[in-house]
Amino acid sequence: EAGVAQSPRYKIIEKRQSVAFWCNPISGHATLYWYQQILGQGPKLLIQFQNNGVVDDSQLPKDRFSAERLKGVDSTLKIQPAKLEDSAVYLCASSLREWGAKNIQYFGAGTRLSVL
Amino acid sequence: RKEVEQDPGPFNVPEGATVAFNCTYSNSASQSFFWYRQDCRKEPKLLMSVYSSGNEDGRFTAQLNRASQYISLLIRDSKLSDSATYLCVENFGNEKLTFGTGTRLTIIP
Repeated sequence: EAGVAQSPRYKIIEKRQSVAFWCNPISGHATLYWYQQILGQGPKLLIQFQNNGVVDDSQLPKDRFSAERLKGVDSTLKIQPAKLEDSAVYLCASSLREWGAKNIQYFGAGTRLSVL
Repeated sequence: RKEVEQDPGPFNVPEGATVAFNCTYSNSASQSFFWYRQDCRKEPKLLMSVYSSGNEDGRFTAQLNRASQYISLLIRDSKLSDSATYLCVENFGNEKLTFGTGTRLTIIP
């Protein structure tokens, strides 16, 4: 079974530039998540989609970050304009819509962003 | 106060030893918990779910103590391949997972 696909794997940009990340979840997974993982920290949820609707975006810095999942499958996360503190790994995860102990999230390999 | 707290380590443990990590959580209504493993520069992967009755998977044992609001992970007969960061994860029940900062473990030959 194919896993969560993300691209690009690495991205280096200068501050104030824009960048976009792409994610294709595991087939049939209704829930998709974007996380930000800063070096030395655990993943922090940015946004959660259920099909093509947003369930939780309370920790998304909406002045510069945006995300969409138009057809309820793949998703893009955009940063515009980027700041130095956005340097991190951006992880996409997906899960079947199951509660409690069955809510297992599967992660993609991530996009490592460096903002110079 | 952080929702999920872990000792970041690092824990440097000789091969074959037993090592245990604890993780505390602040939300008494949290429904379920997990341990995820993250290798250096890789994505997190589920290690095991944590059940109220405790559960064991080979050399790994997870326990949940709701009264004291902590979960634990015990690794017996540690192998070099166990070297990784172990992330404590809380599920409040709305499909949202909250991750701890992780505990870094290095197994020394």
